[in-house]
Amino acid sequence: EDQVTQSPEALRLQEGESSSLNCSYTVSGLRGLFWYRQDPGKGPEFLFTLYSAGEEKEKERLKATLTKKESFLHITAPKPEDSATYLCAVPTSGGYQKVTFGIGTKLQVIP
Amino acid sequence: DAGVIQSPRHEVTEMGQEVTLRCKPISGHNSLFWYRQTMMRGLELLIYFNNNVPIDDSGMPEDRFSAKMPNASFSTLKIQPSEPRDSAVYFCASRGQSLSGNTIYFGEGSWLTVV
Repeated sequence: EDQVTQSPEALRLQEGESSSLNCSYTVSGLRGLFWYRQDPGKGPEFLFTLYSAGEEKEKERLKATLTKKESFLHITAPKPEDSATYLCAVPTSGGYQKVTFGIGTKLQVIP
Repeated sequence: DAGVIQSPRHEVTEMGQEVTLRCKPISGHNSLFWYRQTMMRGLELLIYFNNNVPIDDSGMPEDRFSAKMPNASFSTLKIQPSEPRDSAVYFCASRGQSLSGNTIYFGEGSWLTVV
């Protein structure tokens, strides 16, 4: 069965303390992996799409990487405004139609 | 550009009442998704449409749930009768043609409380 697992469930960092969030997946024939950010009371906001192992994408203090089994979202020198829940998702049917989300990592960055 | 628009943003209703959630996808997008989010189960796909046609409704929890997409710019998710366990945030999302990318864009959600 296709699965997406994120860890840790929650992470508390001091401002400036770099860390990584993990997303592991078991799907047959990866067709991409998506990262989203969700602020409280809001809908998920798209961050990145990764398509193949070895691919990396960056946006400000965030960098997403992909291997054949997992993806990491690296956060460098985080700021309080990076506090949010980060979700990863993968298409789990034959195509991009059905996308399954992990339960997310709730990140809190303390000043 | 307007994003995905959902209404109502918040709804409190009594058990047994009918609830209708509405969604206007991004103009030009041909796929529409309804998700439900809870603390315990995260984001769950309920149903998705492609070119206004329901493709997969295997995530719809019970016959009390139904969804329609009468045209490319409007969709509804209906719960009848509603139960307290239906309390959750319901998100509508849309996506364009595959050549324009596979990104799914979400609305702000409809917060449903059934008492």
